[in-house]
Amino acid sequence: EVQLVESGGGLVQPGGSLRLSCAASGFTFSSYEMNWVRQAPGKGLEWVSYISSSGSTIYYADSVKGRFTISRDNAKNSLYLQMNSLRAEDTAVYYCARGHGAYGFSFDIWGQGTMVTVSS
Amino acid sequence: EIVLTQSPGTLSLSPGERATLSCRASQSVSSSYLAWYQQKPGQAPRLLIYGASSRATGIPDRFSGSGSGTDFTLTISRLEPEDFAVYYCQQYGSSTRTFGQGTKVEIK
Repeated sequence: EVQLVESGGGLVQPGGSLRLSCAASGFTFSSYEMNWVRQAPGKGLEWVSYISSSGSTIYYADSVKGRFTISRDNAKNSLYLQMNSLRAEDTAVYYCARGHGAYGFSFDIWGQGTMVTVSS
Repeated sequence: EIVLTQSPGTLSLSPGERATLSCRASQSVSSSYLAWYQQKPGQAPRLLIYGASSRATGIPDRFSGSGSGTDFTLTISRLEPEDFAVYYCQQYGSSTRTFGQGTKVEIK
């Protein structure tokens, strides 16, 4: 079964750090670009970051640029999001999502999400 | 950065009715890179339409997408009870993957 499973969320104080992980299974992880998408409570979807299949190309939303770092380990079938200098407005469910080239690079597989709460 | 504006914000309809959702881009979007997603409460989004008009695997044919340039539409021909949800459009740009703010389809 094709699956993405996020972990690493939790409660963190403003200014703190957190590292999210996304474990992939059921497909050749190294062949696909990956993304992080977040959703604040009661709000819409916000794309956060992109990484190419090899990890050589990376993009960030302006809202997280300079604070978040996306990375991947294809040998471990894993995607990561290092989040530093966290703010209250970073509070959200964070999803990892696979980009599928045959589908116009739309996000065809999503994880169940992990909740990040930034609060003192 | 391309901004996607969805309308209406909320659509109140009855089962069996036709739903028409709009997604307007602030500048031209390649049709190849316009997608629609469905999200139900407490669930992750699900890909419905990619390339503006192609249904993803397993998506019923009552869902259809159309449009080009700056104006795109998602149509649900006859609403089923399971279709009441929030729908998002998304574009894939050179360095961004923007979502619209969403349209909620609720039971009237």
